[in-house]
Amino acid sequence: GENVEQHPSTLSVQEGDSAVIKCTYSDSASNYFPWYKQELGKGPQLIIDIRSNVGEKKDQRIAVTLNKTAKHFSLHITETQPEDSAVYFCAASDSGGGADGLTFGKGTHLIIQP
Amino acid sequence: ETGVTQTPRHLVMGMTNKKSLKCEQHLGHNAMYWYKQSAKKPLELMFVYNFKEQTENNSVPSRFSPECPNSSHLFLHLHTLQPEDSALYLCASSQERQGVGEQYFGPGTRLTVT
Repeated sequence: GENVEQHPSTLSVQEGDSAVIKCTYSDSASNYFPWYKQELGKGPQLIIDIRSNVGEKKDQRIAVTLNKTAKHFSLHITETQPEDSAVYFCAASDSGGGADGLTFGKGTHLIIQP
Repeated sequence: ETGVTQTPRHLVMGMTNKKSLKCEQHLGHNAMYWYKQSAKKPLELMFVYNFKEQTENNSVPSRFSPECPNSSHLFLHLHTLQPEDSALYLCASSQERQGVGEQYFGPGTRLTVT
């Protein structure tokens, strides 16, 4: 089955700096890679996703890159703000995101230092 | 809120108790899921229902029993749990089981087994 590794487990950056979270996956058949943000007391919320037919996707301060050859994908947050502090999860799927395809990483606790 | 509600938000139960977790989605989705979230571990998929039919059971102990009376409601019945079952139980829904992508999560039920 699929295995997703996520690093780092904790990331502390100064407000205004950039943050990068990296994930690797094992199943070359995976074709859908979402990123979820989980704030304290809430469930995970999708913030951005990418499919295997593109290498990069941006949405304002958030971007995701995908390297299918190396089987890794990354989340980039620029101009970080205090409200970016949360736990971020990457996931991989070989079924377009359907239930039996979502394998999650262990999460990264992002701390934005004022 | 994401359109997926869960009750109760917190639950403390003894090992001999029987309780139920409830999930309701207001998004018109056809697939619903139960996940277990433990500290320092990836989200673990427990059960999947697609059009009210169970399609996945990832080797979950029989002390957890799901029920899906219709595509908007999902229950998780609990009995004779163990302390290691203490975790955050998340419900999610998506348009379909396959190929659509985004899963919407509820806020979770924090379960403590004493």
